[in-house]
Amino acid sequence: EAGVAQSPRYKIIEKRQSVAFWCNPISGHATLYWYQQILGQGPKLLIQFQNNGVVDDSQLPKDRFSAERLKGVDSTLKIQPAKLEDSAVYLCASSTGQGANEQYFGPGTRLTVT
Amino acid sequence: GQQVMQIPQYQHVQEGEDFTTYCNSSTTLSNIQWYKQRPGGHPVFLIQLVKSGEVKKQKRLTFQFGEAKKNSSLHITATQTTDVGTYFCAGRRGASKIIFGSGTRLSIRP
Repeated sequence: EAGVAQSPRYKIIEKRQSVAFWCNPISGHATLYWYQQILGQGPKLLIQFQNNGVVDDSQLPKDRFSAERLKGVDSTLKIQPAKLEDSAVYLCASSTGQGANEQYFGPGTRLTVT
Repeated sequence: GQQVMQIPQYQHVQEGEDFTTYCNSSTTLSNIQWYKQRPGGHPVFLIQLVKSGEVKKQKRLTFQFGEAKKNSSLHITATQTTDVGTYFCAGRRGASKIIFGSGTRLSIRP
């Protein structure tokens, strides 16, 4: 079974630039999560999708971050414009359902904003 | 808002010694999950606890969920070098509202 795929793996941009991350969850997984993990901290949930609907985006900085999962499969997370404090690893995870299910994480995208 | 605190932040032990990390939530949780993240890697699911007072074991790992469903612990007996990594708890309130703890980084002296 293929795992969660993410791209790119690394990205370096200057502040005020835009960046987009892509995630393809495990086939058949209805729930998709985007996390931000700053060095030395635990993952912080940014947004949770159930199929193509948003379940929780309470911690998503909506003035600069956006995410979509139009067909209920893969997803993109965008930052526009980026700030220095956005430097982090962006993790995508998926699970089989909205309920209490284990999450399978992708390898993450390491973003450096200079 | 909901917070999940995890202690200690770091633990450095001699191989063969035991290790425990604790997780405390400010609110009652629906369930709690534990993940392990190796250096440079991504979180990997270990276990999920749902019931009040639940205890689960996986070989040398013992997981507990408090009676009030606000705290949890992970205990590793006789640590091995393969146990190195950061252990995170993740508390869930309802079907969403997932909050990860700050993690406990375990390092081991061979």
